[in-house]
Amino acid sequence: KQEVTQIPAALSVPEGENLVLNCSFTDSAIYNLQWFRQDPGKGLTSLLLIQSSQREQTSGRLNASLDKSSGRSTLYIAASQPGDSATYLCAVHSNYQLIWGAGTKLIIKP
Amino acid sequence: DGGITQSPKYLFRKEGQNVTLSCEQNLNHDAMYWYRQDPGQGLRLIYYSQIVNDFQKGDIAEGYSVSREKKESFPLTVTSAQKNPTAFYLCASSIDRGNTEAFFGQGTRLTVV
Repeated sequence: KQEVTQIPAALSVPEGENLVLNCSFTDSAIYNLQWFRQDPGKGLTSLLLIQSSQREQTSGRLNASLDKSSGRSTLYIAASQPGDSATYLCAVHSNYQLIWGAGTKLIIKP
Repeated sequence: DGGITQSPKYLFRKEGQNVTLSCEQNLNHDAMYWYRQDPGQGLRLIYYSQIVNDFQKGDIAEGYSVSREKKESFPLTVTSAQKNPTAFYLCASSIDRGNTEAFFGQGTRLTVV
């Protein structure tokens, strides 16, 4: 059974730092992996989708990598800003289902 | 603007009541989903629909019901049989069920009073 884990559950860093959020999954037989952002009390905004055949995807200051063999994905945020404060969720597409991590709550201190 | 609209944003339910959460999309997506989100947990799938007039139970369907009479609409009813309904409910859609990118609405927060 596919399981997705995000560590740490919460992270607080000063503004301007580069940071990495981690997502691990137990079964490497995935179709793709998607990173989302969720602001408090809001829905999910899709950030990046990485197909299983890809190693990374970039959008602005965000870069997501995927290593299927090790069951890991990372979301790299460059030059963090207070507006990046949110909960970041990863989800794995596996067997026509989305399997979710519990998220990492990120706080960027001004 | 294309997107997914959930209403209402906040909903209060009395004990024993059924309530219905609305989800409408204008993305022309075939697949639609309902998830439940509780603090500190990953999203859990309640129901999904791959096409009009078809829907399937997810991992936690007990106490919930859905319909898919139109491609654009996938309402969720939280029945009195759902013993712990207080949660944040999220509706999503994708082009089809085949592992394509999912898009989400803004959610409905349901509270039992």
